[in-house]
Amino acid sequence: SQTIHQWPATLVQPVGSPLSLECTVEGTSNPNLYWYRQAAGRGLQLLFYSVGIGQISSEVPQNLSASRPQDRQFILSSKKLLLSDSGFYLCAWNLRGNSPLHFGNGTRLTVT
Amino acid sequence: DAKTTQPNSMESNEEEPVHLPCNHSTISGTDYIHWYRQLPSQGPEYVIHGLTSNVNNRMASLAIAEDRKSSTLILHRATLRDAAVYYCIPQGETSGSRLTFGEGTQLTVNP
Repeated sequence: SQTIHQWPATLVQPVGSPLSLECTVEGTSNPNLYWYRQAAGRGLQLLFYSVGIGQISSEVPQNLSASRPQDRQFILSSKKLLLSDSGFYLCAWNLRGNSPLHFGNGTRLTVT
Repeated sequence: DAKTTQPNSMESNEEEPVHLPCNHSTISGTDYIHWYRQLPSQGPEYVIHGLTSNVNNRMASLAIAEDRKSSTLILHRATLRDAAVYYCIPQGETSGSRLTFGEGTQLTVNP
């Protein structure tokens, strides 16, 4: 069966520090991979998605970046965090077409 | 992008049916309508999806309008555990891989 791992679960980082969140999927090949962010009490904002290794589509051209170094690995990064980067970060995957999205448990990031 | 419109919030009593509406008047003919729900402090989970016909599974039923411009997620007997934010989004060839969510409907279930 397929599983998605996302870590860490919580993170407190100072403003200006770097960020690296990792997501891996097991039990499937060539998935679509997604990063979403959710501010408190708000809906899901699509940040990045990837349909294959090295293929990244960006929705939010700010101080965040994403990479997909391996088929089932998706990494969200920042060189310098802003206060506004605080939120709940969710990784998700699906296969092509209309297959359901499967979400990880999320990382709650607080930038202080 | 096909956009969806959902009420911000709805309330129900425990053990009563709940009908959660979603308008998707610009959905393409080949896109399915998917529903997800997000429990507090968790990632969203898939609930159900359909194209034209009504669909049932162990979690819910989905009623799709004949013109496909709207759909309704039906929880037959709401429980306290059904309190969540419910999202409907189109998925398929037209939507492609760019899957965006709206604000969803916050469902409150009263004991």
